[in-house]
Formats: sequence, structure tokens, C-alpha cells
Amino acid sequence: DAGVIQSPRHEVTEMGQEVTLRCKPISGHDYLFWYRQTMMRGLELLIYFNNNVPIDDSGMPEDRFSAKMPNASFSTLKIQPSEPRDSAVYFCASLRLDYMNEQFFGPGTRLTVL
Amino acid sequence: AQTVTQSQPEMSVQEAETVTLSCTYDTSENNYYLFWYKQPPSRQMILVIRQEAYKQQNATENRFSVNFQKAAKSFSLKISDSQLGDTAMYFCAFMRNPTNNAGNMLTFGGGTRLMVKP
Repeated sequence: DAGVIQSPRHEVTEMGQEVTLRCKPISGHDYLFWYRQTMMRGLELLIYFNNNVPIDDSGMPEDRFSAKMPNASFSTLKIQPSEPRDSAVYFCASLRLDYMNEQFFGPGTRLTVL
Repeated sequence: AQTVTQSQPEMSVQEAETVTLSCTYDTSENNYYLFWYKQPPSRQMILVIRQEAYKQQNATENRFSVNFQKAAKSFSLKISDSQLGDTAMYFCAFMRNPTNNAGNMLTFGGGTRLMVKP
């Protein structure tokens, strides 16, 4: 398996623009997580899905952020409009609930908002 | 809510020596999982070792082992025979009992930056 795939790896945009981050989880995994990593706040959960259904979005910073999972193999995280304080590394991770309970992380998307 | 604390922002160790990274956590749960993740400069998150709270035996993976003290809510990572490739950020993470929908996310500590010196 190719692991969790994220695109793009790097994104530079200007304040006010819409940004869409993409994630393909590992096949057969029924949980998908979006995390954000910043120097100030460390690694924090934004939202997670189970069987394509959002379970907990309490970590989503504000209405400018939205996430969807239209099917088991694809999820998006959208920021509209983007602001400089959204600059961070965004990770997607997937999980199959079994005795291992290991979350597999994608390589992350480094977002810079100018 | 669960919290995870790593009190050592930075550490260094000489190659081939042993180093221990500290982690404490706070929870009212009885059944949970603990993890150590490694993040090298490539920023890829890599699982190093896991521990189930119901297991008394400390987990071991080659040069990596943990000291799990459930009563003290402590979960330290020991790296033996340190190698240059161990240079990375290390994150301690907590997961509640994953058998229900509310428990599957990871709560991370702030991380410890480890540098292995030649």
C-alpha cells in the first residue's frame, strides 16, 4: 500500500484566497483525522471522520475551515478565506480499528499564507 | 479532557549512549493507549512504540523501550545505543479506549527535540 497520500506537499497563497488540501487514506481504514502542527500550538486535532461521517469537529478553528469526506478514499480540508495565521503543516492520518490501533500519517502539507 | 506533558523541550546525547525522554499525562480513563512518535526533519510522523494501559509489561522495540508507570501517569521513552538517525522531534501521544467513536483521536505532548551528537 502507498500509505496515506496528501496533496499538495507545499502550498503558498495570498491572504484571502481559498485553499484546498487533499487526502487519500489507506484502503480499508475507516477513520480519517486532520491535524495541524504549528510552533505555538504543537499538534492539534481539527476534525475526524468515521466511515465518512464527521464525528468530532470541535477542533476546527472557525467557520473559515471546512472538511468533507465524500467517499472512503478521499477527504478535503478547505480554508476560505485564508489568513496568515493559518500557516502551518496540516497532516492527514488514517486508522483501522484493530488490536494495533495505529494511526498512519501522511507526509503533511506545508501551507504558507502571505 | 486528556493532557500530555513533555517537560524536556530539547535534549542531546552522544552517539552510542542511552537517553530517556519523559512524558506525563492526565486522564480519568482506565483503559487507553500511549504512543511515541518520531518526527525527523522530513516531518514525516513515524510510530516508534505503543503501550496498552492494561498491559503491565513495558513495551520494547529493538533499541527503544518504555517505562510505563500507570499509577504515576508516566510514560518515558528510553533509546539505547543512540544513532545519528535518531535525531528528531519525539512526541508522546495519548488515545482513549478506541472501542467507541469518541476515543480515537490522538492527544499529543509538546514534543522533545533530540539531537544525537557524533
